Amino acid sequence: DAMVIQNPRYQVTQFGKPVTLSCSQTLNHNVMYWYQQKSSQAPKLLFHYYDKDFNNEADTPDNFQSRRPNTSFCFLDIRSPGLGDAAMYLCATSSRYRGVEQFFGPGTRLTVL
Amino acid sequence: ELKVEQNPLFLSMQEGKNYTIYCNYSTTSDRLYWYRQDPGKSLESLFVLLSNGAVKQEGRLMASLDTKARLSTLHITAAVHDLSATYFCAFFGGSNYKLTFGKGTLLTVNP
Repeated sequence: DAMVIQNPRYQVTQFGKPVTLSCSQTLNHNVMYWYQQKSSQAPKLLFHYYDKDFNNEADTPDNFQSRRPNTSFCFLDIRSPGLGDAAMYLCATSSRYRGVEQFFGPGTRLTVL
Repeated sequence: ELKVEQNPLFLSMQEGKNYTIYCNYSTTSDRLYWYRQDPGKSLESLFVLLSNGAVKQEGRLMASLDTKARLSTLHITAAVHDLSATYFCAFFGGSNYKLTFGKGTLLTVNP
C-alpha cells in the first residue's frame, strides 16, 4: 500500500546532541511537509518542500534544518535539541498545492533528556 | 491573520448522546478537512469537504460545510466510547500550501 513512513517512531536524545528524523513516501507526491506537535496543541508547520524547492516558515527556529535528497525521502535535522523541542514530529505529503489533502505519517516522538 | 475557531475545546459526553463540534474560519476557503487523532498517534483523515453545502457521513460522524457562513460542523450521533479522541478541523486560506488548524476538540465518551 502507498504510504508515508517515518523512522524512528521513538527517538531519545540528549540536550544539545544532534538528531535526524526520517520520512519516506511511496505516494510519489511533490510536496512534503514537516510539522511539530506539542502536547495538547495543534500541529505547527515547520517547513515544506515543493519538489526540491525548500520553504521555511518565518517562525521556524534556525536549529531546525531539512533535506530532501530525492522525491521519496525527506529528513528533519535538529542541530542542538533543547528541552523545548521535545514533541511529536509529523511528516505529511500532498500531490500538489492548492487545497489538496495532506497525508500524514505515523510520527516520531522525540524525547530530550 | 488566518484564524480557525473550534469549539468546544473539551467535550465530555455520555454514550448514546448526540453533539456537534463547530469550526469557524476567518477567510474564504472551499477546502475544509477534519482529522482525528488518538493519544500518541498521528492524524487520521476523516472528511474532505470541497464545496459549499457539502455533507459527508461515515458511521456516527457527519461533517458539513457552509462556505458563506465560513462554518463547518462535525456532528456525532449516538456516541460510543471508540469515538473518544481529539478532532481537528483545518482549512486552506490565503495560501496555496498551508493548512491552518483549529486548536482541536478533545472528545471523551463515557459509558
